[in-house]
Amino acid sequence: NAGVTQTPKFRVLKTGQSMTLLCAQDMNHEYMYWYRQDPGMGLRLIHYSVGEGTTAKGEVPDGYNVSRLKKQNFLLGLESAAPSQTSVYFCASSYIAERYEQYFGPGTRLTVT
Amino acid sequence: SQQGEEDPQALSIQEGENATMNCSYKTSINNLQWYRQNSGRGLVHLILIRSNEREKHSGRLRVTLDTSKKSSSLLITASRAADTASYFCATAGDSGNTPLVFGKGTRLSVIA
Repeated sequence: NAGVTQTPKFRVLKTGQSMTLLCAQDMNHEYMYWYRQDPGMGLRLIHYSVGEGTTAKGEVPDGYNVSRLKKQNFLLGLESAAPSQTSVYFCASSYIAERYEQYFGPGTRLTVT
Repeated sequence: SQQGEEDPQALSIQEGENATMNCSYKTSINNLQWYRQNSGRGLVHLILIRSNEREKHSGRLRVTLDTSKKSSSLLITASRAADTASYFCATAGDSGNTPLVFGKGTRLSVIA
């Protein structure tokens, strides 16, 4: 099993450009999450999904959109990137419910210039 | 808003010593979890302790939970250089199915 994978690993965008980050998991997990991690800020939840076709807002959803068309994939979109979105983005998944053990991907380092 | 707050922010110890990290939180919880993050990697789940448990062990890890003080501690015994990482606590609220809330982490350096 690959676990949770993220594509791409690194990306540099110019302000105003758009991009999509892909998260895939092969553990048949119902729950998936997108976080951002900034120095000194820990992990902050952007959006999450409790099942195929569902999404919900987390702590810092502004400027991001998500889609969960297939159970194994969770996409994070930036429609018009801003320098404030420079961060490391982590995807995670969990089996039972939001409150239980999460499995994390390796992260995507995004720089917006 | 972040629920868990780890203390200290950074900790540096010699190999073989014990490392203790603390986590305080504000509201009632269903469980509290500890995760490790090696530099440049994703988080890895270490241990989960439920609100009705007071202590839990896993290998060299010992976690305690004091719900009256709303605090938890993670003890790593006989530390090794490979334990160098950031450690995060995450809390799960006890009302409804809400996502985990992570603290800002403790950065542990174990010097060989």
